[in-house]
This record gives sequence, C-alpha cells and structure tokens, in this order.
Amino acid sequence: AQSVTQLGSHVSVSEGALVLLRCNYSSSVPPYLFWYVQYPNQGLQLLLKYTSAATLVKGINGFEAEFKKSETSFHLTKPSAHMSDAAEYFCAVSRSGGSYIPTFGRGTSLIVHP
Amino acid sequence: DAGITQSPRHKVTETGTPVTLRCHQTENHRYMYWYRQDPGHGLRLIHYSYGVKDTDKGEVSDGYSVSRSKTEDFLLTLESATSSQTSVYFCAISPGTPYEQYFGPGTRLTVT
Repeated sequence: AQSVTQLGSHVSVSEGALVLLRCNYSSSVPPYLFWYVQYPNQGLQLLLKYTSAATLVKGINGFEAEFKKSETSFHLTKPSAHMSDAAEYFCAVSRSGGSYIPTFGRGTSLIVHP
Repeated sequence: DAGITQSPRHKVTETGTPVTLRCHQTENHRYMYWYRQDPGHGLRLIHYSYGVKDTDKGEVSDGYSVSRSKTEDFLLTLESATSSQTSVYFCAISPGTPYEQYFGPGTRLTVT
C-alpha cells in the first residue's frame, strides 16, 4: 500500500523567505512522486516529478524537491517566496508498477505575507 | 495546456435528483479519473477508467457511478444526490502509468 503525509495544513512565510513544504510517503516499491499546485478556483497543475532519475528535481516557478529514500521524504522548497506563490500544494505518490493510481496528500496551503 | 473540459462548471440541485457531470478530453489519453475535493480531505478518488468501458472504484465510490463509451468522454452520475455530495469535482487524465495527471477546471456542485 502507498500513502502520503503532508505535515502542516497551513504554512505561512514572508515574501522573500525560504519556502519548505514537507511530504513523506510510504510505498512498498520504488515510488514515483509528484508535487502539484492549485491556485484559487482552478484545477491542479504539475510543479515537478521524481521518476527515479536525479534525486534533486527542478520544477516550474523556481521550485525544487529532493528525493531522500532513507527519510522517505520528498520535500518541496523555493529559496525566495513571491506573493504569487500563495496557493494550495499537493504531494502525490504513484507506484512504478502494479497499481498505477496516484495517492494524494491532504494538501498544504501556502500563505505569503508582504 | 492539456485539453480537458468539464461541464457544467457550476450546478445547484435538490436532494434526490439525478446529476451527471461530464469530462471531455482532446488528448486521447487512456486513463481518466474523477475526484472530489473537500476542505480537510484533499483530493479523494471516486472512480477511474483505464479504457473504453473499463472502469473501477476509488475510495469514495458509494453513491456514484461512471461510464466511458468513448475515449474522450468520462461521465460521473449521482443517481440520487445528497447534501453530503456537495463538493468540487475534478476530472483528470493521464497517458499511462505512472505518468503525471492533467486536471480539468472543476465543477462546483451544491445539493440543497
């Protein structure tokens, strides 16, 4: 079975500060991992994905995430927050074989203060 | 942007009435999914399809049925809507496994 835990339903940062959104997964096989962003009244958009190549993955809008197998983590970071980064962020895990249905975390709302 | 549309975008209906939501794609992707999004619950899978006439249940399938008679269309039906089905419904598509998903704009359904 696979599952995803996102620590913190809300994260608040100041503009220009480091953004760190946490995601831990469990999977019985090597996972494929994704981060999605959802802006108000819109659907989810892919930010980045890990598919067993480089462990440090770069995505759109300056975000990146590092796959750490020993910690079963895939935390999302951005060096300097912008007001436009305020959104809901979802981590998802999908197996590399067998069941292909992704499992989503409950989401983290990023609040950016001026 | 992936070609996914959902209709209607907003709907208000009464308890006990049937409701059908439509998802239409122009990408010819094999997999299609229906999710509901509720505060505190994130995204929960209702049903998914892995081909024409091939569907399976997700974690919150009770009270919902689906049909896929063409690659491009995936219909979600609430046979008899209840207030607990008030939610935002998202359709998603993917070309295969374990590829990323592309999401539609959502349908906001209110059951009164």
